[in-house]
Amino acid sequence: LAKTTQPISMDSYEGQEVNITCSHNNIATNDYITWYQQFPSQGPRFIIQGYKTKVTNEVASLFIPADRKSSTLSLPRVSLSDTAVYYCLVGDGSGNTGKLIFGQGTTLQVKP
Amino acid sequence: GAVVSQHPSRVICKSGTSVKIECRSLDFQATTMFWYRQFPKKSLMLMATSNEGSKATYEQGVEKDKFLINHASLTLSTLTVTSAHPEDSSFYICSARDNSRTSTDTQYFGPGTRLTVL
Repeated sequence: LAKTTQPISMDSYEGQEVNITCSHNNIATNDYITWYQQFPSQGPRFIIQGYKTKVTNEVASLFIPADRKSSTLSLPRVSLSDTAVYYCLVGDGSGNTGKLIFGQGTTLQVKP
Repeated sequence: GAVVSQHPSRVICKSGTSVKIECRSLDFQATTMFWYRQFPKKSLMLMATSNEGSKATYEQGVEKDKFLINHASLTLSTLTVTSAHPEDSSFYICSARDNSRTSTDTQYFGPGTRLTVL
């Protein structure tokens, strides 16, 4: 199973850009990289997904280098409401089973 | 789009009773759904993969007779916690894989069900 490694926690202030990097050294050729956000007592919410290079949507950007062994989620100008746990996931690489194994995630604390 | 619902959102039951949790994909079809449980301050732990029209696949250490999964249609999977005990108290979350995007492993998660067993 592909595994991911993220910082356990990060602190930021309102209005700053936050970059969370995830390592996935054993990512398989057919795996996508997906980031989720989770608030307490809620299910994870899809943020962004990518395969290579850069992906941008209305809430975040995802940067993936050519070797795909890492990825960086970029949140522009965070607010207090962005305080949450952020999970980076890759497919299990065993052939389209769709299983996602959650790591510990990164707890982002945004301060005023 | 891509909305997944769960019912109930929270349930309190007595020890020894069984509890059924429903997971529905509201605007897409899902051949595959997944069930997770999450303890306070911990990450999500995958329990099983629910396959429409066939038996569920359980992760190692998860008792299939304890956690019964039925996936009778392309939009509904149910998890039944049988003979629940206090240690089964947890936050149960389902997810559904969008059939139309099978190449991307995109899963959409339900809001979760808080189970408390007294």
